[in-house]
Amino acid sequence: DAGITQSPRYKITETGRQVTLMCHQTWSHSYMFWYRQDLGHGLRLIYYSAAADITDKGEVPDGYVVSRSKTENFPLTLESATRSQTSVYFCASSNQANQPQHFGDGTRLSIL
Amino acid sequence: QKEVEQNSGPLSVPEGAIASLNCTYSDRVSQSFFWYRQYSGKSPELIMSIYSNGDKEDGRFTAQLNKASQYVSLLIRDSQPSDSATYLCAVKRTAGNKLTFGGGTRVLVKP
Repeated sequence: DAGITQSPRYKITETGRQVTLMCHQTWSHSYMFWYRQDLGHGLRLIYYSAAADITDKGEVPDGYVVSRSKTENFPLTLESATRSQTSVYFCASSNQANQPQHFGDGTRLSIL
Repeated sequence: QKEVEQNSGPLSVPEGAIASLNCTYSDRVSQSFFWYRQYSGKSPELIMSIYSNGDKEDGRFTAQLNKASQYVSLLIRDSQPSDSATYLCAVKRTAGNKLTFGGGTRVLVKP
C-alpha cells in the first residue's frame, strides 16, 4: 500500500529557478492538497483540487502553480523560486469532502 | 483572532498521567474536527476525528467536542514517552473541503 508519496524528499535550489514538487497517491482520492509548514505559521494551504482539472487557491497561493491532469498526481511548481519559499511542503489527499486528509512524508525545500 | 487556536506549550506530563490539550475555533459553522500528531521531522498523522458534540474514544485517546462553546479537546490517558510530539488541531468549515490548522501544542512526556 504505497499511499501518498512525495518527491523529492529534499531539494536545494537557487533563487529564480523553477522547481516542481511531485505528489502521487494510489488511493484514487478525489481531493488533493498542498501545504507549507513554517515555524511560527504552522500548516498553511497553498492550493487544493477537488478532482482532475479542478484546482483552487488556498491561503498562500502567490508564487505557486498547480495542475491536475490525472487524479493520482498533483504537482506543485514554483515558477521563480524566492528565499521566502524555503519551507517544508506537504501533500495530502482525502476521498470525500468530510473525510480526514492523509499526508505524504513531505519535501524539505531550501532556496539559496 | 486566529481561526484555530492552540496553546503552543510545551505541555510537560509525567509518564502515566493524562495529557489534556485544548483547541478553540472562531467559525461557528465548522462541522468537522481532527487531531493530528506530528513527530519532529515527520508528517502529520491522523489520530482522531470528531463530527458531533460529546466524547469519542479510541484507545488511550479521547476527543471532546463542544460546538456551543467552540472548542475541541484531546485527552491522552496513560501518557507514554512515545506520545511526545506536536498535536495539531484541524477544523473544516461547512463549505468546501479546506482544513484550517492550529499552530499545534508540543507535548513532552517525561519518564
